[in-house]
Amino acid sequence: QLQLQESGPGLVRPSETLSLTCTVSGGSISSSSYYWGWIRQPPGKGLEWIGSVYYSGSTYYNPSLKSRVTISVDTSKNQFSLKLTSVTAADTAVYYCARRVQPGAPNWFDPWGQGTLVTVSS
Amino acid sequence: DIQMTQSPSSLSASAGDRVTITCRASQSISTYLNWYQQKPGKAPKVLIYAASTLQSGVPSRFTGSGSGTDFTLTISSLQPEDSATYSCQQSYASPFTFGQGTKLEIK
Repeated sequence: QLQLQESGPGLVRPSETLSLTCTVSGGSISSSSYYWGWIRQPPGKGLEWIGSVYYSGSTYYNPSLKSRVTISVDTSKNQFSLKLTSVTAADTAVYYCARRVQPGAPNWFDPWGQGTLVTVSS
Repeated sequence: DIQMTQSPSSLSASAGDRVTITCRASQSISTYLNWYQQKPGKAPKVLIYAASTLQSGVPSRFTGSGSGTDFTLTISSLQPEDSATYSCQQSYASPFTFGQGTKLEIK
């Protein structure tokens, strides 16, 4: 079945750039029915959608993070990536990648990667 | 942004009980509402999408209802493995937003 796996540094220094990659296995990232997204969860808090990318490369982001976020896709590697610039301690969170299923108008996130904790600290 | 508010924030119930969690949207979202279950240290898992459609493989004791601004997730007969945090999420408009979560403890 489809699986997603996040990878990247677990520690990022303040003001630097957080970079994560999500590798998709068991299916193609190039399917027309799906978007691919990043969601984060600060320790003890709720979930926050960061943004999504289509296999064509089109993206849309949460306006609250838009100025600092770039999400890209590499169909040859079946991967998509997240870059978040100028990080602060407030960006410390578990970062999840997920597929957004959209067979029609309804849409939902399934499945999710296991998540990776990124800590922003000097 | 559409704000999602869940209640209660936490609850404790016994195995076999029926429990209901409520999610309210700050504006009408039709039936574009999903429910997720998250166990400690694990990723969220979708239980119900489009307000009332049960995801494949999810036990039938989970039901969702509602439309517009008010939604409920009901667990008809609690099982020990239902101990988790439950979150709602609107998929009506970007940015997609989540409720703050309801932590369910089984006594």
